Amino acid sequence: GNSVTQMEGPVTLSEEAFLTINCTYTATGYPSLFWYVQYPGEGLQLLLKATKADDKGSNKGFEATYRKETTSFHLEKGSVQVSDSAVYFCALSDQEYGNKLVFGAGTILRVKS
Amino acid sequence: KAGVTQTPRYLIKTRGQQVTLSCSPISGHRSVSWYQQTPGQGLQFLFEYFSETQRNKGNFPGRFSGRQFSNSRSEMNVSTLELGDSALYLCASSSQGGISYNEQFFGPGTRLTVL
Repeated sequence: GNSVTQMEGPVTLSEEAFLTINCTYTATGYPSLFWYVQYPGEGLQLLLKATKADDKGSNKGFEATYRKETTSFHLEKGSVQVSDSAVYFCALSDQEYGNKLVFGAGTILRVKS
Repeated sequence: KAGVTQTPRYLIKTRGQQVTLSCSPISGHRSVSWYQQTPGQGLQFLFEYFSETQRNKGNFPGRFSGRQFSNSRSEMNVSTLELGDSALYLCASSSQGGISYNEQFFGPGTRLTVL
């Protein structure tokens, strides 16, 4: 079945540091890939997405590239801010039921000033 | 446009009771999906409703059920509550259903605690 594996946290960085959160997936076919962010006490917000191989999703300084050859979708940001502190989830969409999402375990990011 | 709303936001129940959670999707959205979020299992898909029909179901016991009304509002019900049902239940709405992904918008969730 489909699955998503992402690096365990928490990840603790100083403000303006470079961020990478690794995500790999297992799926038949070519799913769409996503990064969601969850702030304390809130639901999930879509951060970025990519729908086919070599697509790059980007939003608010975050980027991720759909790598079919390595089945990866790593999240990067060049300079993190304290306000980026949150839980980040990598996810893929089921190929048969597009609205069904399979999530990774989530990675807690803490940014210190 | 108002976002996805979920009621209640917090709920405390005891083992053996049943509970009903409500989700109102974004106006015009016809698909509603439910997810359970726990520290141990993470985010898991429960089911999706589209135009009052259940389209897909995750691997949960029959104690978990849901329905969707003609105005697209959805409810999920958990009967005979167990301690392990304590979780954040998230609802997501999207405009369409189908094979292709349609952007989903999540509500803030209902935090259920089973004592």
